[in-house]
Amino acid sequence: QKEVEQNSGPLSVPEGAIASLNCTYSDRGSQSFFWYRQYSGKSPELIMSIYSNGDKEDGRFTAQLNKASQYVSLLIRDSQPSDSATYLCAVRKGGGADGLTFGKGTHLIIQP
Amino acid sequence: GAVVSQHPSRVICKSGTSVKIECRSLDFQATTMFWYRQFPKKSLMLMATSNEGSKATYEQGVEKDKFLINHASLTLSTLTVTSAHPEDSSFYICSARTDLDSPLHFGNGTRLTVT
Repeated sequence: QKEVEQNSGPLSVPEGAIASLNCTYSDRGSQSFFWYRQYSGKSPELIMSIYSNGDKEDGRFTAQLNKASQYVSLLIRDSQPSDSATYLCAVRKGGGADGLTFGKGTHLIIQP
Repeated sequence: GAVVSQHPSRVICKSGTSVKIECRSLDFQATTMFWYRQFPKKSLMLMATSNEGSKATYEQGVEKDKFLINHASLTLSTLTVTSAHPEDSSFYICSARTDLDSPLHFGNGTRLTVT
């Protein structure tokens, strides 16, 4: 079982709609969860971080975490063409000096 | 916000040569930096964890003698790809964080092409 799993897509969403991106992880000891956006040929940029169960909202973005189900999601409201990118789910297993484990990413396409 | 600077952004080299990539934390001190590699349409793979003042910790399958990491100061880590071969062509990205619980902030990456 892969450590962090995402549907690679592409996920096509009409402009103005809600885009829903999902991620599951295998290590129950994981403590920190992040969503990054990566445009083609560029490095990832942080969108959201979430550390506890529930929802966290930041502008048009909402991250949702369910540790019991080992599931984290990202909702993008009022999707814009500029949101078209690959979205990477990343998980940190524990504290200390751990790096992040990334999923393969979901390619999101917002159709004008 | 935290800024990580990576240089060069793009390098083309001949097979057998060595290439050095620099990663700097511009507005914070980073005792730990992380080096990732990404092949086209693939996920980021952690190569090694760079620790200031001590040896780097390499992930399984990453050759430490081929990918030399030096973290000589709290703001600079370097990755040297030694005796590069075409299969080393990839996108190399460094990252750092401001404290233990903070997210990783990434440099702009280095596109390495070995001919």
